[in-house]
Amino acid sequence: GNSVTQMEGPVTLSEEAFLTINCTYTATGYPSLFWYVQYPGEGLQLLLKATKADDKGSNKGFEATYRKETTSFHLEKGSVQVSDSAVYFCALSDFGTGRRALTFGSGTRLQVQP
Amino acid sequence: EAGVAQSPRYKIIEKRQSVAFWCNPISGHATLYWYQQILGQGPKLLIQFQNNGVVDDSQLPKDRFSAERLKGVDSTLKIQPAKLEDSAVYLCASSLEASGRGETQYFGPGTRLLVL
Repeated sequence: GNSVTQMEGPVTLSEEAFLTINCTYTATGYPSLFWYVQYPGEGLQLLLKATKADDKGSNKGFEATYRKETTSFHLEKGSVQVSDSAVYFCALSDFGTGRRALTFGSGTRLQVQP
Repeated sequence: EAGVAQSPRYKIIEKRQSVAFWCNPISGHATLYWYQQILGQGPKLLIQFQNNGVVDDSQLPKDRFSAERLKGVDSTLKIQPAKLEDSAVYLCASSLEASGRGETQYFGPGTRLLVL
């Protein structure tokens, strides 16, 4: 079956530091990959996505590249801000099955200190 | 555009009691999902509807959980009887039908359930 593994948190960084959150996946088909973010007190929202190999998703300074050869979709940001403090979830959907439900990783909490 | 609405936001019940959650998806979204998110874990799919038909309920504990989506719009998720391990946040999400690979799911704020 499908699964997503992401690095455990919490990740604590100082403002303006470089961020990497690792994500690897296992899928039976050819999945689409997503990063969702959950800010304190808010619901899950899409951060970025990529639908095919070598695609790069980007939003709000965050980037992730779909690497089929390493089955990875690592999240990066060059300079984090306090406002980036949140829980980040890597996820996949297997469009080929028709179900399209998301399979999520366990989440990584990011804490950015001023 | 209004987002996905859920109610109630919080619910505390005793074990063996029943509880129901309601979801109103984004207007025009044919696909509706219910996820369960246990503390410290990622959300896990309970059931997926396409209009008012069930696409996937393979992970729904059918001895105690039920869900329906009458008229292909609103949906309710029910637990009867509740167990301690049902304490979680129940998330509703919706998406457009057949919009291709990587279609975005939009999530509601969730209902936080505590079973005592």
